[in-house]
Amino acid sequence: SQKIEQNSEALNIQEGKTATLTCNYTNYSPAYLQWYRQDPGRGPVFLLLIRENEKEKRKERLKVTFDTTLKQSLFHITASQPADSATYLCALSSGGYNKLIFGAGTRLAVHP
Amino acid sequence: DVKVTQSSRYLVKRTGEKVFLECVQDMDHENMFWYRQDPGLGLRLIYFSYDVKMKEKGDIPEGYSVSREKKERFSLILESASTNQTSMYLCASSFGESGANVLTFGAGSRLTVL
Repeated sequence: SQKIEQNSEALNIQEGKTATLTCNYTNYSPAYLQWYRQDPGRGPVFLLLIRENEKEKRKERLKVTFDTTLKQSLFHITASQPADSATYLCALSSGGYNKLIFGAGTRLAVHP
Repeated sequence: DVKVTQSSRYLVKRTGEKVFLECVQDMDHENMFWYRQDPGLGLRLIYFSYDVKMKEKGDIPEGYSVSREKKERFSLILESASTNQTSMYLCASSFGESGANVLTFGAGSRLTVL
């Protein structure tokens, strides 16, 4: 069955460092991969989308890579800030009507 | 500011009660979705709708039904609530049928069934 794995353990880093979160998938060939941010008690908010034919996408301090051979996406936050503390979800789609499949998310804690 | 609004943030119901969760979006989106989110399991799709009066089962539709009588409104119904339906319920909407479109989520409805 299709499976998406994100590190279930929280990632703790110091302010100013680069945070790197991992999303691995199996039994799936997604055409699109998305990353969302979720704060406690709130709904997820879209951050970035990357297509299967793109290797890397950037937006301000965020960078996403997508390696369809390794079946992995990496999500980087450079110059991290305490305000970046949240749970980050990856989601995959193979096509129509946005039937996204979500990972369980990784909680990031950025310490001053 | 575009929005997906879920009418109830917190609900407490008793086993066997009928529960309605309402969701309204003001973006004229065709697609609407209901997910539930449980610790360690991520978001799981319950039902989705790509047009008025249309609905499709997601991955975990058992024990749920939905209604979409108007484009902007998508309701999730628990006919007879059970304790294993205690969860965070998230409504989302999107435009078009491309897999590249993103979801806009509501703030969530936390349901506790006693």
